[in-house]
Amino acid sequence: NAGVTQTPKFQVLKTGQSMTLQCAQDMNHNSMYWYRQDPGMGLRLIYYSASEGTTDKGEVPNGYNVSRLNKREFSLRLESAAPSQTSVYFCASSRQGDTGELFFGEGSRLTVL
Amino acid sequence: AQSVAQPEDQVKVAEGNPLTVKCTYSVSGNPYLFWYVQYPNRGLQFLLKYITGDNLVKGSYGFEAEFNKSQTSFHLKKPSALVSDSALYFCAVRGPYSGNTGKLIFGQGTTLQVKP
Repeated sequence: NAGVTQTPKFQVLKTGQSMTLQCAQDMNHNSMYWYRQDPGMGLRLIYYSASEGTTDKGEVPNGYNVSRLNKREFSLRLESAAPSQTSVYFCASSRQGDTGELFFGEGSRLTVL
Repeated sequence: AQSVAQPEDQVKVAEGNPLTVKCTYSVSGNPYLFWYVQYPNRGLQFLLKYITGDNLVKGSYGFEAEFNKSQTSFHLKKPSALVSDSALYFCAVRGPYSGNTGKLIFGQGTTLQVKP
């Protein structure tokens, strides 16, 4: 039961470097999400994909891009990392039409120096 | 705009005592409300949800939550706390215009510490 798998789990970048966070789910879910978690701020939605072939901005999309590669995979890219993007990133998925039960990966801790 | 607030950063209770983790919300129309739990270095796990119906909702691990429309609250409760309940708890809301997705707005989280 893999569920939602994120890679890498840890990453340290220098300001200006780029990287891609990978996410894959094996539950045949239609919708996928990227959240960031910062102390005292809860989780904030960066981007989401309601179904394969569609992506939409969430609450904090600036500095990020996403790709819904296929039904299973949803990647998050930082083109030019900034210290403000130091955070823990969570990928999640849900069934289409589901009223909000999200299944989360274990997170990717990113530090930008 | 939709929002959810958890007024307590931390809640401490003794094992065996009842616990309450508070949540208030603001949303247009009828809300969909959720509680999630996060154990250290793990992703969030779904506990329970309120969509419609009975105001008292039962969920995983013996937790329940009470929806109060007049007070716009959705407090998480458990009659008898366990040390293993110690974790970070998040309240979340989904507004009625979120389309066919599970887009959620999360509160800032409340750390629950259960002492032996």
